[in-house]
Amino acid sequence: AQSVTQLDSQVPVFEEAPVELRCNYSSSVSVYLFWYVQYPNQGLQLLLKYLSGSTLVKSINGFEAEFNKSQTSFHLRKPSVHISDTAEYFCAVSVNSGGYQKVTFGTGTKLQVIP
Amino acid sequence: KAGVTQTPRYLIKTRGQQVTLSCSPISGHRSVSWYQQTPGQGLQFLFEYFSETQRNKGNFPGRFSGRQFSNSRSEMNVSTLELGDSALYLCASSLRGGRSSYEQYFGPGTRLTVT
Repeated sequence: AQSVTQLDSQVPVFEEAPVELRCNYSSSVSVYLFWYVQYPNQGLQLLLKYLSGSTLVKSINGFEAEFNKSQTSFHLRKPSVHISDTAEYFCAVSVNSGGYQKVTFGTGTKLQVIP
Repeated sequence: KAGVTQTPRYLIKTRGQQVTLSCSPISGHRSVSWYQQTPGQGLQFLFEYFSETQRNKGNFPGRFSGRQFSNSRSEMNVSTLELGDSALYLCASSLRGGRSSYEQYFGPGTRLTVT
């Protein structure tokens, strides 16, 4: 069975500072990886995904994540955060299970951007 | 293209009652998954439906059930409500075919409060 670990439940960071949200996964088979963001009182929105190809994937709002197979990690980074990035971020892993994709979410990391 | 819609957005019920939540997926999406989100347990998978059949199921008691209709719309039912069922219930749809099928698109959720 696969699992996802987000070690940091909360990450405070000053505006315009860089941030890294950590995500490690465990799986015996190949995986697809995702980062979702949830703003207050809203559902989750897909931020970026890794399916195959280049291990560095980027979002339109400046976030990027790198798939590291040897370290089983998919950390999310942004070089300079904005107040509007305050939200909860979820890492997710998807594996093929009996011909269907089974998705497991991490426990989430709350990013608090301090003005 | 319209996003995932969930009705109602907010619901207050008393212990012992039952409740039905509705989810309309993105047009063309055939898979619908349900999640329960609480501050203590995070995001927990309930079940997934594809072509009117339950494909995956999480570790929830039989009081939680669901179904999917031929137009891919899905309903989730919780019988004999307990205080611990208070949560944000999220619905997510996906294509279930091809490389782009693994990402999920979430609705805004239904906030259920059990008193």
